[in-house]
Amino acid sequence: GAVVSQHPSRVICKSGTSVKIECRSLDFQATTMFWYRQFPKKSLMLMATSNEGSKATYEQGVEKDKFLINHASLTLSTLTVTSAHPEDSSFYICSARDSGGYEQYFGPGTRLTVT
Amino acid sequence: TQLLEQSPQFLSIQEGENLTVYCNSSSVFSSLQWYRQEPGEGPVLLVTVVTGGEVKKLKRLTFQFGDARKDSSLHITAAQPGDTGLYLCADPPGGATNKLIFGTGTLLAVQP
Repeated sequence: GAVVSQHPSRVICKSGTSVKIECRSLDFQATTMFWYRQFPKKSLMLMATSNEGSKATYEQGVEKDKFLINHASLTLSTLTVTSAHPEDSSFYICSARDSGGYEQYFGPGTRLTVT
Repeated sequence: TQLLEQSPQFLSIQEGENLTVYCNSSSVFSSLQWYRQEPGEGPVLLVTVVTGGEVKKLKRLTFQFGDARKDSSLHITAAQPGDTGLYLCADPPGGATNKLIFGTGTLLAVQP
């Protein structure tokens, strides 16, 4: 099946700093990528839809200036958590949709801890 | 946006027992997916059901789509510790929405 990677897998940062998470589709092109957030033992919550070459669409209640999304190529989307605070600590998961269909492939996730 | 309620939220059982997880919505699904997620990993697609009343089997897992396409169930026979994980139903993209929305999740722990 199609492979989606995320980097880094784990990151610890200090409060007030910014952190960038990369999501790559390794063997297919993805015009649309999605970013989810997950708290312990809870479901995935969609944060935003990332479209190649255009602005991301954010879900209600998600601060676009806090969570900057860039989808500059058909294989890469990035999520930057700006001025991170401890409450931003979470598991962030991306997914990518093959340009030819509706199937979504999920990355392995990035564990962010803000101290 | 469709709300997908799963029950139970948590389930802890002994190896060899059977269990059923439910996914319900107030709206009709065009199709429905089930995923399993293991700790520290992304979710993995198990199955997609499309037709009302459809039943699909994947080894010891049986998935059923309600006749009215507003609910679904996942039944596991003779659960094993390897079945431990978070089970998620999901409303996949299509029709009016481009987004995949997950249900509230069921956390299953199978004790050896």
